[in-house]
Amino acid sequence: EVQLVQSGAEVKKPGESLKISCKGSGYSFTSYWIGWVRQMPGKGLEWMGIIYPGDSDTRYSPSFQGQVTISADKSISTAYLQWSSLKASDTAMYYCASALYGDLEARYWGQGTLVTVSS
Amino acid sequence: DIQMTQSPSTLSASVGDRVTITCRASQSISSWLAWYQQKPGKAPKLLIYKASSLESGVPSRFSGSGSGTEFTLTISSLQPDDFATYYCQQYNSYQWTFGQGTKVEIK
Repeated sequence: EVQLVQSGAEVKKPGESLKISCKGSGYSFTSYWIGWVRQMPGKGLEWMGIIYPGDSDTRYSPSFQGQVTISADKSISTAYLQWSSLKASDTAMYYCASALYGDLEARYWGQGTLVTVSS
Repeated sequence: DIQMTQSPSTLSASVGDRVTITCRASQSISSWLAWYQQKPGKAPKLLIYKASSLESGVPSRFSGSGSGTEFTLTISSLQPDDFATYYCQQYNSYQWTFGQGTKVEIK
């Protein structure tokens, strides 16, 4: 069974760093792009970036370039999204999604990680 | 970067209605267009990919059409389970962009 399992909810203070994860199983993790998507409370979906775990080729949305870092560890089939200094405006649900068995459409999604940034 | 404009933002409809949602790309994306359904508190679900290909397991009342810059999602006969928010997404040239979403509400 294909699964993307994300790390649990986080509560952080402004200025803190954070790394959340997305572990794939049930398929060849290195062979399909994984994307990260932000959804702020009550708002729509925003694409942050995608990574090809096979060679760590990474593409960022211009809106998120320099604000976050996307990485992957293919040895443990896990993709990451990290911040070096969180802001209150980073409070959101974050989803990973895999373009499994397709071109780049997001066929499988993680359950989401809620990040709350508050002083 | 490519912008996606979805309309309407909200749509009120009744069970059994035919519903159409439109998505327009700021430049040609060929057929690299997907549609997703999202319910409150849940991750999005892929409905249509490559503009008109129905994802496995998705009811046949959902259909997609279009190419280039104009695309539509049609629900032929709205069912109670279909009240949700729908997003288009382009995936051309290793970039994703989502439309702003269409909330389908009960009339």
